[in-house]
Amino acid sequence: AQTVTQSQPEMSVQEAETVTLSCTYDTSENNYYLFWYKQPPSRQMILVIRQEAYKQQNATENRFSVNFQKAAKSFSLKISDSQLGDTAMYFCAFMLTGGSEKLVFGKGTKLTVNP
Amino acid sequence: GAVVSQHPSRVICKSGTSVKIECRSLDFQATTMFWYRQFPKQSLMLMATSNEGSKATYEQGVEKDKFLINHASLTLSTLTVTSAHPEDSSFYICSARVTTDTQYFGPGTRLTVL
Repeated sequence: AQTVTQSQPEMSVQEAETVTLSCTYDTSENNYYLFWYKQPPSRQMILVIRQEAYKQQNATENRFSVNFQKAAKSFSLKISDSQLGDTAMYFCAFMLTGGSEKLVFGKGTKLTVNP
Repeated sequence: GAVVSQHPSRVICKSGTSVKIECRSLDFQATTMFWYRQFPKQSLMLMATSNEGSKATYEQGVEKDKFLINHASLTLSTLTVTSAHPEDSSFYICSARVTTDTQYFGPGTRLTVL
């Protein structure tokens, strides 16, 4: 079974600074997707960024980028120029390809952006 | 973008009653939808996978007879919590599969059982 571990229950960052959230996962499979989801206080889950395991290039979406290290099974999220609206729970998630399309979530990291 | 709605957003019911939660894909068809449960300050736990026109697939430990799932159309899946008890109080979230690697989530339903 696949597992996702987020070792930082809470983090804080000053507005306009950069912060990195950690995520590691465990799988014996070779083909999968990795995701970062954001859950603000409204509790609406929002997809932040996705990464296909077969792609070596790290995914980037505006201020959000990942550092995908397949051999180390690590998938960290970097948020640049942090904004107050980035305050939320961030969940790392894993999905096997060609399977049931189930998402396996980590326990989350609560990020607070301070003014 | 793809929009998924849930109704109701909040529901309070008495112990022993049944509650139905609807999950709708508003601008796309979803052959597969997923139901999650989230306890306070915890992660999302997958309860079941709902496939249009067929029986739902439940995760280990989830009671099929207690959490009834019906996916009767390509835009609607329902979760019925039968004979609800206080321990069923939780935040229930659905998602709809748009593509192989993309799911869009509903806004969630907070269930409180008195």
